[in-house]
Amino acid sequence: DTAVSQTPKYLVTQMGNDKSIKCEQNLGHDTMYWYKQDSKKFLKIMFSYNNKELIINETVPNRFSPKSPDKAHLNLHINSLELGDSAVYFCASSTRPDNSPLHFGNGTRLTVT
Amino acid sequence: GENVEQHPSTLSVQEGDSAVIKCTYSDSASNYFPWYKQELGKRPQLIIDIRSNVGEKKDQRIAVTLNKTAKHFSLHITETQPEDSAVYFCAASMRGGADGLTFGKGTHLIIQP
Repeated sequence: DTAVSQTPKYLVTQMGNDKSIKCEQNLGHDTMYWYKQDSKKFLKIMFSYNNKELIINETVPNRFSPKSPDKAHLNLHINSLELGDSAVYFCASSTRPDNSPLHFGNGTRLTVT
Repeated sequence: GENVEQHPSTLSVQEGDSAVIKCTYSDSASNYFPWYKQELGKRPQLIIDIRSNVGEKKDQRIAVTLNKTAKHFSLHITETQPEDSAVYFCAASMRGGADGLTFGKGTHLIIQP
């Protein structure tokens, strides 16, 4: 009954590969996000979707492509993985894009070798 | 866009003492200020939040104060306990904004026994 669930929890892969991370929320929220947390613990927003529509697309490489098949799901696909992509990726959701608490998933630790 | 500065980056206090973490923000339109706690290897979790129509909010040993004129807000933890050891993040967002939450860089709070 986890509110925001993402899979996999750990992902170890080689440079150049393509990988996906899946996220689902059962809170009935309209807005979902992807955040990247680097080795220094800095949390930076990557993407935000509201009712399946992209509303935030920060300056991330276009190797990263989010996909939202419905408002309960937001997946992240990464092409041609690089060493610098190694980080923890958190999915999150909220009732609306502004002014409301975020509920985070448990994170996916991506290691690119 | 919004910029949130957080200090200190590391804070060590004796068990039972108080801890204060301070944040400043740049966008005067911001009106929602949550605080998240992240334990090692876990997801960030909301511990308290405040909106701009309130100057102070308290929840047991945790309190947050907001000074809109000076554009700064602080987290106060009294009677610290070992389980308070974690990384704490402040954040800011504005109503009607599409940028989601902007996070500070985090404070590693260490409670010394």
